[in-house]
Amino acid sequence: DQQVKQNSPSLSVQEGRISILNCDYTNSMFDYFLWYKKYPAEGPTFLISISSIKDKNEDGRFTVFLNKSAKHLSLHIVPSQPGDSAVYFCAARSYNNNDMRFGAGTRLTVKP
Amino acid sequence: NAGVTQTPKFQVLKTGQSMTLQCAQDMNHNSMYWYRQDPGMGLRLIYYSASEGTTDKGEVPNGYNVSRLNKREFSLRLESAAPSQTSVYFCASSPSGGGKLFFGSGTQLSVL
Repeated sequence: DQQVKQNSPSLSVQEGRISILNCDYTNSMFDYFLWYKKYPAEGPTFLISISSIKDKNEDGRFTVFLNKSAKHLSLHIVPSQPGDSAVYFCAARSYNNNDMRFGAGTRLTVKP
Repeated sequence: NAGVTQTPKFQVLKTGQSMTLQCAQDMNHNSMYWYRQDPGMGLRLIYYSASEGTTDKGEVPNGYNVSRLNKREFSLRLESAAPSQTSVYFCASSPSGGGKLFFGSGTQLSVL
């Protein structure tokens, strides 16, 4: 039972354009959402997070949007750079719960 | 600057063999986790330890055991390896149960 879904296995964008990665969840108890970035042969690294009391969080070129009614979140990268090419995982958990659930990941390729 | 260290990085086992994956963190984190990553499945939680002296099952615990040896170390044991356990294993830690995770670089395990 996959409670966090990333329906696009891959995404390709041109350098300088916007990248939008999407994530859907089914568990209404989730109240903390995170995005992780993973390069080959490395572990995932934390990118940005958002709690359910917000609908937007920004950190430099990265913005996460949360739509609780639709159980949907998205990660926007503007402008996209070749170094952003990686696999991006969406993750979610409920408050103070150790069981963080991950999506299957989206492979982003940014072309120069 | 080590963070989370996993050993070994690669391992090949025959069906029925046993082995232990080691993990250590130097960030004084309370919580530690073991995940496995499979294609199309994202990362799935095997076991976690919310604090020294406690361990709990995650989403996919069957076929595994864990030991929280002390605050720094959390090991994962496969008693009788099966081909279905071929995967990439990640150890992670967090300051507490509700925060972001810091991952090691992974162990690629093949069971023949």
